Amino acid sequence: QVTLKESGPVLVKPTETLTLTCTVSGFSLSSTRMTVSWLRQPPGKALEWLAHIFSNDEESYSTSLKSRLTISKDTSKSQVVLTLTNVDPVDTATYFCARIRPGSKGYYFDYWGQGTRVTVSS
Amino acid sequence: SYVLTQPPSVSVAPGKTARITCGENNIGSKSVNWYRQKPGQAPVLVVYDDTDRPSGIPERFSGSNSGDTATLTISRVEDGDEADYYCQVWDSSSDHQVFGGGTKLTVL
Repeated sequence: QVTLKESGPVLVKPTETLTLTCTVSGFSLSSTRMTVSWLRQPPGKALEWLAHIFSNDEESYSTSLKSRLTISKDTSKSQVVLTLTNVDPVDTATYFCARIRPGSKGYYFDYWGQGTRVTVSS
Repeated sequence: SYVLTQPPSVSVAPGKTARITCGENNIGSKSVNWYRQKPGQAPVLVVYDDTDRPSGIPERFSGSNSGDTATLTISRVEDGDEADYYCQVWDSSSDHQVFGGGTKLTVL
């Protein structure tokens, strides 16, 4: 059974660094073509992809947030970590991690975590 | 950059057919995926690779993709189908995942 679960702070102050952890089970982060992504959704708004990390440690980041994001993984702990530096109230959102699978001409998200709500406020 | 355009809202009576579109120039050359999201919940994959359904998704959900428009079709709409629906593609030129703005499906 594949599951993903996000964890991290509920409240972060402006200019601080947000660190979120995605703990996965039911698959291995070292298995070929196993990729985990982070996404977010501000209240009342659309989904926004942030970053993903492939099984070979190759990373990709949203262009608009690339300078502030870092994604990494600890295969032994089955965890994928996302850090977002210098947070601002506009970063207030529910953050999701999801597993990516390769399709015929792209990728799709087949399993999602429940999401973790993060508020940026002083 | 790639931008996917969805209508903000679609309304349909129970038992009828709902069609939700996702537009972009030459989207037919890409694989389109669709997600359903109910309030307070994580998105759920309902169609992938334009037309395929994950296990557990009813046959009432189907997809098509040609030219500049991809479409999610929900037949015999039920009250439980009321949700936000998002289309998504992979932009190979940037290695980015791109989502549409979402469509709120209302069952009248």
